[in-house]
Amino acid sequence: DGGITQSPKYLFRKEGQNVTLSCEQNLNHDAMYWYRQDPGQGLRLIYYSQIVNDFQKGDIAEGYSVSREKKESFPLTVTSAQKNPTAFYLCASSIRSLVAYNEQFFGPGTRLTVL
Amino acid sequence: AQKITQTQPGMFVQEKEAVTLDCTYDTSDQSYGLFWYKQPSSGEMIFLIYQGSYDEQNATEGRYSLNFQKARKSANLVISASQLGDSAMYFCAMREGRVLGDMRFGAGTRLTVKP
Repeated sequence: DGGITQSPKYLFRKEGQNVTLSCEQNLNHDAMYWYRQDPGQGLRLIYYSQIVNDFQKGDIAEGYSVSREKKESFPLTVTSAQKNPTAFYLCASSIRSLVAYNEQFFGPGTRLTVL
Repeated sequence: AQKITQTQPGMFVQEKEAVTLDCTYDTSDQSYGLFWYKQPSSGEMIFLIYQGSYDEQNATEGRYSLNFQKARKSANLVISASQLGDSAMYFCAMREGRVLGDMRFGAGTRLTVKP
């Protein structure tokens, strides 16, 4: 089945450690996105990528890094520079288009907890 | 500036009744898309319905319809014949036509369906 997978579902990290969240899609979408969601709040954009080997910062990119070496994969690294990394992280993908109406498809999310 | 506003943090509805979730937006673009997503307690984001800024008719998808009032910049979601499984967080989102990758989400409304 086509879709987006994120692993792991739950992730625990010690303060000061970097951690990488996986996101893979087999929808043949060009565009991929990472969002952060804090309890009781909406989604905020961290990074997005429209094509391979290219990505752009979103609203809250500080303390995060990404890579896009393959169309199917868009891993997110939460670095030790991110001051409050405990949150729910959602990956999404969509058709790349300048037109507004392409919906984003979401993965199941990764819940990161810093101990 | 806040682009998407959802003024109802929580809503209750009796099973089998209809409910309206409010969403107002702010944009100076002529071309934009409005989306509604459902987020159950499991965390995944489920796409419900889309409305384009040039669409003359309100969008409908099964029990979901979007009450689009362009002049008032509102895009309210109407759920008819509520079911217990409709209990979830609901997010309104907007993507402006000229800005790639920039989908803005509201803070969400938690809907609880009572038996």
